[in-house]
Amino acid sequence: DAGITQSPRHKVTETGTPVTLRCHQTENHRYMYWYRQDPGHGLRLIHYSYGVKDTDKGEVSDGYSVSRSKTEDFLLTLESATSSQTSVYFCAISESERGRWGYEQYFGPGTRLTVT
Amino acid sequence: RKEVEQDPGPFNVPEGATVAFNCTYSNSASQSFFWYRQDCRKEPKLLMSVYSSGNEDGRFTAQLNRASQYISLLIRDSKLSDSATYLCVVSNYGGSQGNLIFGKGTKLSVKP
Repeated sequence: DAGITQSPRHKVTETGTPVTLRCHQTENHRYMYWYRQDPGHGLRLIHYSYGVKDTDKGEVSDGYSVSRSKTEDFLLTLESATSSQTSVYFCAISESERGRWGYEQYFGPGTRLTVT
Repeated sequence: RKEVEQDPGPFNVPEGATVAFNCTYSNSASQSFFWYRQDCRKEPKLLMSVYSSGNEDGRFTAQLNRASQYISLLIRDSKLSDSATYLCVVSNYGGSQGNLIFGKGTKLSVKP
């Protein structure tokens, strides 16, 4: 299994509070991604990173920010959590040797976030 | 039309059965294709990539038909441990870079 950990694994927070989720990898992969998974929607990309300090938005980026100060860590921040952000959040990584596109991604175990 | 469409199932099959999943994608420029499996309350795990010539890995066979924009996964001699949700995944060039487009998944339940 790819060396990807996520923390925390479970979190309950109140509406309006800031929340930061952490993804840590030991594979030295260049690309890292944050997804959310909700019933009826499948996995949707929030943000991704193509290198240290290089990030870009995905399909559902509103209300989220990210940072990547080291190759191994990718942080997802909900500045002011809302109930609509209750979801399961997955981090993923991929290699870059075959280029930016279309390479397999490997997922972390996920974080279950509940916003009350 | 949704970007990646799958029959949600569930597919309920007995052990030893052969089961096939189908998936269609809308972007004719899609370049890479995958099947992932996801167990209940777990992360998606790569099952296999799908190549233009088709490929096989043990009991699993994947096929790609670019003309029809259609991907399939065949599981032979189903095992109880094959019970999971199977996600069809397509990678597009352009748009959100590095984006994998996930289908909503097809649920498989293999019964004794």
